[in-house]
Amino acid sequence: TQLLEQSPQFLSIQEGENLTVYCNSSSVFSSLQWYRQEPGEGPVLLVTVVTGGEVKKLKRLTFQFGDARKDSSLHITAAQPGDTGLYLCAGARGGADGLTFGKGTHLIIQP
Amino acid sequence: NAGVTQTPKFQVLKTGQSMTLQCAQDMNHEYMSWYRQDPGMGLRLIHYSVGAGITDQGEVPNGYNVSRSTTEDFPLRLLSAAPSQTSVYFCASSLKPEGYEQYFGPGTRLTVT
Repeated sequence: TQLLEQSPQFLSIQEGENLTVYCNSSSVFSSLQWYRQEPGEGPVLLVTVVTGGEVKKLKRLTFQFGDARKDSSLHITAAQPGDTGLYLCAGARGGADGLTFGKGTHLIIQP
Repeated sequence: NAGVTQTPKFQVLKTGQSMTLQCAQDMNHEYMSWYRQDPGMGLRLIHYSVGAGITDQGEVPNGYNVSRSTTEDFPLRLLSAAPSQTSVYFCASSLKPEGYEQYFGPGTRLTVT
């Protein structure tokens, strides 16, 4: 059972465009994290959101946690080729079994 | 700090062979875990440990064993490799399992023929 659904799975856009990636679930999470992974490397944490409705900004990236703590979104403004990568959302349910990951969104920003 | 290190980077096994994937961290993290990453499947938890001497099963534990004799090391053993275990394996560590940043190693790409 896939608890976290990410959409879209693949996205290819031109440099300068805006985009939004979604992470949805029917389950409530105590916190949600977004990671970015480059080819041949492990995922690297971008942000952790904990409170329902929370919005965090990281330069051109804006992360939002849904009010009910079941979903999250990542919005990138004026995308750049350096934003290319696999974006993963991961939810924590409060147990010792760590994170549940979504399948990821493959993002390509073309110059 | 080296962070999380994994060896080997690449490995090819024949069906039925056994091997150990090594993982070490130098951040004094309590929590360590192993994931496998397959195309279209995302990251799936194999085993995890909340401290030395304590391990537990994740989502896909069959065919794998782990032990945690020290805080630093968390090896993953494949008992009898099968083609279905062809994957990229990531070790991760964090201060606590809940809500803390997971630090991932660079991964081991395993092919079983």
